[in-house]
Amino acid sequence: DAGVIQSPRHEVTEMGQEVTLRCKPISGHNSLFWYRQTMMRGLELLIYFNNNVPIDDSGMPEDRFSAKMPNASFSTLKIQPSEPRDSAVYFCASTMTAGSQPQHFGDGTRLSIL
Amino acid sequence: QKEVEQNSGPLSVPEGAIASLNCTYSDRVSQSFFWYRQYSGKSPELIMSIYSNGDKEDGRFTAQLNKASQYVSLLIRDSQPSDSATYLCAVVNTNAGKSTFGDGTTLTVKP
Repeated sequence: DAGVIQSPRHEVTEMGQEVTLRCKPISGHNSLFWYRQTMMRGLELLIYFNNNVPIDDSGMPEDRFSAKMPNASFSTLKIQPSEPRDSAVYFCASTMTAGSQPQHFGDGTRLSIL
Repeated sequence: QKEVEQNSGPLSVPEGAIASLNCTYSDRVSQSFFWYRQYSGKSPELIMSIYSNGDKEDGRFTAQLNKASQYVSLLIRDSQPSDSATYLCAVVNTNAGKSTFGDGTTLTVKP
């Protein structure tokens, strides 16, 4: 079975540009999570969806960040406009049942904002 | 106080020794607990899950949970250089449905 698929793997762009990260969860998984990982702050939960509905977006840093899940097999995380402090590795993870089952992580997107 | 705290690293052990990784949490209603391993430049991968008080063994790995003390640990027996990685503790409030991760403990196993 295919795991969680994220794209792109690497993104380098200039400050002020729009960045869109994509995620395809494992088929049959009902919950999807977006995380950001940096050396300073560790792994931070940004937002999570249950059955395509955003449940908790309290970790989204500010209005420049937005996330959507239009269907069960696709989600996007968008940053507009991007800033150098957004540079990090962004992970998407999915699970069958949020809370009681472990999460399966994608390979991540390494984002660098110049 | 952080919601999930792990013993500060880095932790270094010789090959063949037992590595002990500890994690404490503050949310008393947490019900699911997971240990993930993350190699440098890679994504976290699940190595152990535990839901009830006591010990759970899987090969060289043993997870221990004490809900009264709000404490979960991971023991790695016969440590190998390939165990060198960062270990993340994740604590889940089942009602809220989300995981809170510790900052991780970096383990180095020296040949």
